[in-house]
Amino acid sequence: AQKVTQAQTEISVVEKEDVTLDCVYETRDTTYYLFWYKQPPSGELVFLIRRNSFDEQNEISGRYSWNFQKSTSSFNFTITASQVVDSAVYFCALMGTGTASKLTFGTGTRLQVTL
Amino acid sequence: DAGVTQSPTHLIKTRGQQVTLRCSPKSGHDTVSWYQQALGQGPQFIFQYYEEEERQRGNFPDRFSGHQFPNYSSELNVNALLLGDSALYLCASSKTGLFGYTFGSGTRLTVV
Repeated sequence: AQKVTQAQTEISVVEKEDVTLDCVYETRDTTYYLFWYKQPPSGELVFLIRRNSFDEQNEISGRYSWNFQKSTSSFNFTITASQVVDSAVYFCALMGTGTASKLTFGTGTRLQVTL
Repeated sequence: DAGVTQSPTHLIKTRGQQVTLRCSPKSGHDTVSWYQQALGQGPQFIFQYYEEEERQRGNFPDRFSGHQFPNYSSELNVNALLLGDSALYLCASSKTGLFGYTFGSGTRLTVV
């Protein structure tokens, strides 16, 4: 069985602060993929990043960075110098390599960035 | 390039009724997955369709059924609606063999 845990239900920060969203996963698959999605109030899930289980390099994309650590089964997401437009619900998701490759999502972290 | 289109955007139904939700995948995509997202929760996988067949199913009762058409569009049907079926229903499309999923904005179903 696969499981994704996002322990932080809601985080509030002031604009320009850095914020880290935690994600811990469980899987028995040796090959798997990890994702982060952003869900604004409109409801659409916006893809942010995909990582496969063989690539533990950290990645930086603009103000976003991701820290993948297989040893602790974690895939954390950091926003540097947060902005009001970053306010949304963020989901971490896991996909194994079965036939249908379904996504297993965490319960999400609501990020509120205020001025 | 149109993304994933879902219709309707909002729907209100009465307990016991039946509902059909529709999804048009992104151009070039041949696989459609459906997810249910209850308020305050993460999306839960319902099922996936490829080549007009249900390829895998999540932990949902038989009241939830689907269909995929030759043009890759898909429908989600829910019979005998319960109050607990109230949720945002998301459709995601992908191209077989690739791991890029594109989600639609969803259909918000309210059962009263």
